[in-house]
Amino acid sequence: QQPVQSPQAVILREGEDAVINCSSSKALYSVHWYRQKHGEAPIFLMILLKGGEQKGHDKISASFNEKKQQSSLYLTASQLSYSGTYFCGTGLDQFYFGTGTSLTVIP
Amino acid sequence: NAGVTQTPKFRVLKTGQSMTLLCAQDMNHEYMYWYRQDPGMGLRLIHYSVGEGTTAKGEVPDGYNVSRLKKQNFLLGLESAAPSQTSVYFCASRSTLGTARNTIYFGEGSWLTVV
Repeated sequence: QQPVQSPQAVILREGEDAVINCSSSKALYSVHWYRQKHGEAPIFLMILLKGGEQKGHDKISASFNEKKQQSSLYLTASQLSYSGTYFCGTGLDQFYFGTGTSLTVIP
Repeated sequence: NAGVTQTPKFRVLKTGQSMTLLCAQDMNHEYMYWYRQDPGMGLRLIHYSVGEGTTAKGEVPDGYNVSRLKKQNFLLGLESAAPSQTSVYFCASRSTLGTARNTIYFGEGSWLTVV
């Protein structure tokens, strides 16, 4: 029931862009995105509540395609601080997180 | 601003021992969750609760029990610890009201090693 994320890992140089995808075999009612630094708890980035919604947060934005049961997270002009593991999440009562994408930004 | 507090943060258990992880939240959230995190596996849902006195199983409930006797507390118990339960455990709570509706807040994690 876990959403599947791709890629599993990505390495970027500062200033490069990245896209992280999240797909579910079940209907997505809403999609959350979280980032986790090593040894820390995940922190909330954004929620997309309905299909077609797009949101932005600094240079991090996301889209939600309800029909395709997919969401994508876009990181533009990446910074060193963007390094971490990104998780999508979804659910009503039960809440499931995706398999995670490790993102490393190097100078 | 306590948010979600987990105790203990670190624990080493011997196989067969029992222990309880305590999660406390001061945000009056209805929903609470316990997850375990293992390398390459992401966050997997163990048990969850949608309100005081209610609990339900998640993806990986075997070997764990939970209780939610008070709204602010969610306890995770290991009756007979096994090395496979070595993991990082995260408690989380979820708002269902107001502008922060649906946001999930995490505790700092509990590192458990079973030897």
